Formats: sequence, C-alpha cells, structure tokens
Amino acid sequence: KNEVEQSPQNLTAQEGEFITINCSYSVGISALHWLQQHPGGGIVSLFMLSSGKKKHGRLIATINIQEKHSSLHITASHPRDSAVYICAGGNNDMRFGAGTRLTVKP
Amino acid sequence: ETGVTQTPRHLVMGMTNKKSLKCEQHLGHNAMYWYKQSAKKPLELMFVYSLEERVENNSVPSRFSPECPNSSHLFLHLHTLQPEDSALYLCASSQELAPSFYNEQFFGPGTRLTVL
Repeated sequence: KNEVEQSPQNLTAQEGEFITINCSYSVGISALHWLQQHPGGGIVSLFMLSSGKKKHGRLIATINIQEKHSSLHITASHPRDSAVYICAGGNNDMRFGAGTRLTVKP
Repeated sequence: ETGVTQTPRHLVMGMTNKKSLKCEQHLGHNAMYWYKQSAKKPLELMFVYSLEERVENNSVPSRFSPECPNSSHLFLHLHTLQPEDSALYLCASSQELAPSFYNEQFFGPGTRLTVL
C-alpha cells in the first residue's frame, strides 16, 4: 500500500464543474505539496501547505493534519485544467501519490 | 530563460551505450534533485544534492551516476541500462534543502528516455 493515496485515479468533468481530488497519507509529514503535470511531462508546483487552506485563483487546497487528509478543489473547471494532479509529502524523504488524471470536456 | 532546463528532451539508447542527462537551474537555488517517473507508477526520488554534495541516494543502481559540479548544474550519467529503466527523468531544484522538504520545488520539463 502506497504511503500517499489519491482518489479518484481518473476523473472526467464537464467545463464549469467543481472538482475535488483527495489525498490521504500515512506518513508523518511537515508539508504537503500539490503538483500539476501536463501531458508533455512538465511539473508545476501548485501548493505547499502544512495547515489550513490556501487559495490561488480557481484552485483551493486544504489540509487536515489530524485526519492526515488533503483536498484540492478546482472551481469553474476549464479544459486547460486537464492534467495529472499529484500530491506529495514527507519529512526527510518525499513520498508521492500515483496521481489523479483529470479531463475537463468543453 | 526558464527556471529549470533539461537536455535532451528525448533520448533513445541501447543497453551498451553511455549517455548523460543534463539539468541546469537559473534560480539561484542550493538544492537539486533527480526523479524517475515510470509508466503507471508514482514519482520516485533518486538523488538529492545540497550545495553540490550528495545527501540522498535512494538505493539507485550503480548504472545511474549523478554529478553536481556546481549549484546550477546537475548531471545523470547512464551506462549499461536495462529496458526497464525507460522512463521520464525529471530534475528539480529548491532554494534550500530543509530537512522537512518544506521548500517548494521547481521542476524541469523532463527527459523521456527509451532503452532498447
């Protein structure tokens, strides 16, 4: 069992829908990262958080340290949001989830 | 110039070849990383360098040999690879190497490697 689990594995949505991707972890972490990977392979760091909630444009990330759970929300989704979303966390080592492949259809 | 660049972007090599992957960061960061991403598997951390010193080697086979000549450049030397080493190899950098990996990492575009 992976120490960082994401759900769902795949997600298809219609443009404009509200999207939620979940991440649960069993390791102790100091910070949790949300990354976005586009089809070409390049990875962009979206958020790094250790408590509470962060917002950037249409993206919102939350974390509950006690429950070892984080969520990434996308409001008013758009086809350009189509990508693989990866959560990762760790202390002295980084553990990555398998990713959630999001497809937003026009 | 983008923050983290990698060359080549695509590489096909035979099992007896020797090749090198190059990563360069223009962000003034002190820590650099090599990751491997195989199909259908999570990202795997391979090597970590902080101020040109290797601080992490995650049980990577010796056919992968990293080199960090200065804080802006990172190489991954490849020799006698196996077909199962075919993957996307990603380089990243961060300002510092905090023990908690608390620093945001900036990723390069990756090198897609195919071993025949």
